[in-house]
Amino acid sequence: DIQMTQSPSSLSASVGDRVTITCRASQDIRNDLGWYQQRPGKAPKGLIYSVSGLQPGVPSRFSGSGSGTEFTLTISSLQPEDFATYYCLQHNSYPYTFGQGTKLEI
Amino acid sequence: EVQLVESGGGLVQPGRSLRLSCTGSGFIFADYAVSWVRQAPGKGLEWLGFIKSESYGGTTEYAASVRGRFTISRDDSKGIAYLHMNSLKTDDTAVYYCTKTGHWGQGTLVTVSS
Repeated sequence: DIQMTQSPSSLSASVGDRVTITCRASQDIRNDLGWYQQRPGKAPKGLIYSVSGLQPGVPSRFSGSGSGTEFTLTISSLQPEDFATYYCLQHNSYPYTFGQGTKLEI
Repeated sequence: EVQLVESGGGLVQPGRSLRLSCTGSGFIFADYAVSWVRQAPGKGLEWLGFIKSESYGGTTEYAASVRGRFTISRDDSKGIAYLHMNSLKTDDTAVYYCTKTGHWGQGTLVTVSS
C-alpha cells in the first residue's frame, strides 16, 4: 500500500499568515493527489484535485503543487474559517490512502 | 446543487450486519464512481472502497481492513449507492461518508456495541 505522510501533524498560525502543509508519498503517484478540509464536527470538503486543480467555489488563497512523491498545500493568507484539519488523499493505486491529517490551529 | 445523503446508521451488535445508503441528487448519478470513507471517533479519514460507474464496468475496490466483510453496490435507477457491512466489529464504530469527485455527504454514525 502507498503510505502518505503529512507534515506537520499540527500547526499554530494567525489570521493573515501564509502556511504550507506537505504530503509525501511512499512511491510515485504522478499527479493523483487531492486535498480535503474538515472543520470540527463537519464533513470533509474537497479543496484541490489532481495536485493543483481548485474545486469549484474554493477560494483562490488555496493552492496546491508538487509531483511524484512530494506535494504541498499552501494557504496564502489565513482566514478565520480556514482553521480546520487538512488531509491529502492519493488515488493512484488501490487501496487509496489518506495522510494522517494536519490540524491547523490559532 | 450536488447533494449526497447517507442513511442507515445506528447502533448494532458485534457480528451483525448493516446496510448504509448514499442517495445522490443534482447530478447524473450513473456517470460517477462513488467512494465510501469512514472516520472513527477522534481519528483521521480511512478510505474503505469505491464502485465505478457502469460505463467503467461497475467494478469495486476495497481497503484490506474491510475486504470480504463490506460490499459496495449501486442502483443507478434510484440514484443510490450502498455499503453492505457484515460481521461488524467494535472497531467499525465510525461516521461513514460517501463521496464523489470532491462532494461529500454529511455522514451517518455507526456504533457497534453490545
